[in-house]
Amino acid sequence: DVKVTQSSRYLVKRTGEKVFLECVQDMDHENMFWYRQDPGLGLRLIYFSYDVKMKEKGDIPEGYSVSREKKERFSLILESASTNQTSMYLCASSSGGAGTDTQYFGPGTRLTVL
Amino acid sequence: QQPVQSPQAVILREGEDAVINCSSSKALYSVHWYRQKHGEAPVFLMILLKGGEQKGHEKISASFNEKKQQSSLYLTASQLSYSGTYFCGTDGSGNTGKLIFGQGTTLQVKP
Repeated sequence: DVKVTQSSRYLVKRTGEKVFLECVQDMDHENMFWYRQDPGLGLRLIYFSYDVKMKEKGDIPEGYSVSREKKERFSLILESASTNQTSMYLCASSSGGAGTDTQYFGPGTRLTVL
Repeated sequence: QQPVQSPQAVILREGEDAVINCSSSKALYSVHWYRQKHGEAPVFLMILLKGGEQKGHEKISASFNEKKQQSSLYLTASQLSYSGTYFCGTDGSGNTGKLIFGQGTTLQVKP
């Protein structure tokens, strides 16, 4: 079974703090994704990576950055957390660039910024 | 641009049928359907490809109208376990693996 794990299920941070969300997959997948999930807005892509050290902006990259130093690990960084970044963050991975690839999701991190 | 799903929410009794629609403003290579149960990660259900190929779930079916850039998910004889939020994800190119997800449809099946 494919396993995607995220470092925390729940996280509470203060405004202005630097926040790191970690994601690890164990299936040697090429692609990894970070989404933000908000009620009524669905899953919105923040960033994705198609190879180590390669990344591409998604639909809502502002206020976020990412790092992928190893194939299995993809980190989402909030440089200076703000209250409007309070949300559920989901990581996903898929095997390659084909349009038929299934995305496997982690359990999510619910981040609250106070 | 996000695909638009309809309805936003639906409540059913066990055994009833439901249809969830997904409409895109762009040409599509494939449509992917996922279900997310409360407190859990989204899980893959089905892929529909340009040209008519389908891969996925045994008890859930779907259609893909390439010309209309629309897909529909058919849930027949619904069971309690079908409850959750359904997302369609669209791929316009077929070569990046990147999906744009709709806003979700919440389905509640009651006994």
